[in-house]
Amino acid sequence: ETGVTQTPRHLVMGMTNKKSLKCEQHLGHNAMYWYKQSAKKPLELMFVYSLEERVENNSVPSRFSPECPNSSHLFLHLHTLQPEDSALYLCASSPFTDSPYEQYFGPGTRLTVT
Amino acid sequence: AQSVTQLDSQVPVFEEAPVELRCNYSSSVSVYLFWYVQYPNQGLQLLLKYLSGSTLVESINGFEAEFNKSQTSFHLRKPSVHISDTAEYFCAVSYNTDKLIFGTGTRLQVFP
Repeated sequence: ETGVTQTPRHLVMGMTNKKSLKCEQHLGHNAMYWYKQSAKKPLELMFVYSLEERVENNSVPSRFSPECPNSSHLFLHLHTLQPEDSALYLCASSPFTDSPYEQYFGPGTRLTVT
Repeated sequence: AQSVTQLDSQVPVFEEAPVELRCNYSSSVSVYLFWYVQYPNQGLQLLLKYLSGSTLVESINGFEAEFNKSQTSFHLRKPSVHISDTAEYFCAVSYNTDKLIFGTGTRLQVFP
């Protein structure tokens, strides 16, 4: 595997379910990000991790819970979501210390909340 | 507030015609600029970037963008588009941090 991978690619869940999104980067990067992409809106930065420590949390509801066990893996745990949470969730990584401004994205997880 | 504006939500164009996708950002002393492309059912891919040096930057597939400080713009151009260029294009700005601020995207639709 190369680059940034995300699983699953598609997820349908009810409002009472608990699920997790997984992201893995094979680039040796130090920083990882979660974004939400909704139609007609700019990408919304949700969380930033640098060297496995959370450095940014953009007022995201607590029903989204990130986890970064090591610099290669990032999870987004989901519980009691709302229909408006349906969106494409993108993971990205960056070297951070070497080139802090360029990010590499995964293919995304298309989430539908019913 | 720091922001990025992509005025055109959709740009339809015929194959082999030239195209320009517009991007403007709120002014800042130090800024870094990016164009990302998103093909259907895929994540974003970096198309080109301006960090410093020459204000004209090029991608490997024929796109170019010019950093214009006085007009706070970073428009994306291609002299002759292909069907395969059909995608969503996002302009992004970094104001000297690791955070990227994205525009709302421009859907480029190339017709035969």
